[in-house]
Amino acid sequence: GQQVMQIPQYQHVQEGEDFTTYCNSSTTLSNIQWYKQRPGGHPVFLIQLVKSGEVKKQKRLTFQFGEAKKNSSLHITATQTTDVGTYFCAGASGSARQLTFGSGTQLTVLP
Amino acid sequence: DAMVIQNPRYQVTQFGKPVTLSCSQTLNHNVMYWYQQKSSQAPKLLFHYYDKDFNNEADTPDNFQSRRPNTSFCFLDIRSPGLGDAAMYLCATSRGRTSGRGSTQYFGPGTRLTVL
Repeated sequence: GQQVMQIPQYQHVQEGEDFTTYCNSSTTLSNIQWYKQRPGGHPVFLIQLVKSGEVKKQKRLTFQFGEAKKNSSLHITATQTTDVGTYFCAGASGSARQLTFGSGTQLTVLP
Repeated sequence: DAMVIQNPRYQVTQFGKPVTLSCSQTLNHNVMYWYQQKSSQAPKLLFHYYDKDFNNEADTPDNFQSRRPNTSFCFLDIRSPGLGDAAMYLCATSRGRTSGRGSTQYFGPGTRLTVL
């Protein structure tokens, strides 16, 4: 079955440092989505990427979808304490009936 | 305004005592999902409904059942909760399933289940 892996599992950064999480799929994806879950909260949709090589930005967050549509990354520039949480990618291959969530990267930002 | 509502937010039950968790949505979405999430883990899909079509994950225990009496409501029944079933249960909805903007999932706040 489809597998979506994320690395790293945990990341501690000093406030102001950059952060990147990587998502890799065993199969080609039709789209990739990113969600953020704050501590004690529920996953909240951030963005969806559909096209090969697509890059989207949301303020300090930059999302990329690989050329082969099998990997993706989320980069946060100059982290802030409000960025704390777990970031999940989620994707689906053409034949899948539902999204598969990655294992998540838990980000801690030290003030 | 809340779009995906889960009740109760906290549920305590005894080992083996059936429990029902509820989810309602105001989005009129076709798809409703139930996830189980344990501490520091990713949400694990238990099953989903596409309209009235029920889709069970292969590794979802028989102890977990679901009902969707109408578009707005979906229930998760745990017939005989064990200690290992203590977790956060998340309900989510989406317009479609896997492609396009319609596949974005909207999550409820979750129900935290404690099994004594």
